[in-house]
Amino acid sequence: DSGVTQTPKHLITATGQRVTLRCSPRSGDLSVYWYQQSLDQGLQFLIQYYNGEERAKGNILERFSAQQFPDLHSELNLSSLELGDSALYFCASSLKSLPSGGNEQFFGPGTRLTVL
Amino acid sequence: AQTVTQSQPEMSVQEAETVTLSCTYDTSENNYYLFWYKQPPSRQMILVIRQEAYKQQNATENRFSVNFQKAAKSFSLKISDSQLGDTAMYFCACLTGANSKLTFGKGITLSVRP
Repeated sequence: DSGVTQTPKHLITATGQRVTLRCSPRSGDLSVYWYQQSLDQGLQFLIQYYNGEERAKGNILERFSAQQFPDLHSELNLSSLELGDSALYFCASSLKSLPSGGNEQFFGPGTRLTVL
Repeated sequence: AQTVTQSQPEMSVQEAETVTLSCTYDTSENNYYLFWYKQPPSRQMILVIRQEAYKQQNATENRFSVNFQKAAKSFSLKISDSQLGDTAMYFCACLTGANSKLTFGKGITLSVRP
């Protein structure tokens, strides 16, 4: 158990819908990252938050957005869902943000999203 | 931007034997970190080992060790005394820059045979 929690574990929805994925980082970790794992794209970085502020963006679609709340939990919002959005979405957390000691990222169990 | 290449899609090893998984990377930065993650059938991503680029000494964690060749930009993972529980997909990853995003390779599927 990494200490990172994600809910829900599974999500099945229809095209055009909107969903929210939730992540709670390890106790004490300030940085949260979202990754998408799909068969064709592999593991891709989406977005990072550090202590409530957006720190970096990766290959995140405009239909997707995220935020980190004062209690440091984070939510990833996916809207106007398409079949191709079906994937495993991981949240990870780390103590620090910069490449330095304490930057190991610990992953949650993931949320499997299926868009029908 | 950095890239991570894992050219072997899958490998197989006999239980108790040693196996080496290959990884090459490319980055223009001087300050970076390299990781191996394990993803068993449960799909959980588990950190196996970490290497700081500025350290010459190869990292070790119990049965897992790395061979870090900085000039060649190579970062291989050696698993000694392979166990059935080592069966998983293994991802090599590189972390650079102020945003700390991990760039992953495509992964290699390792099967440990009894």
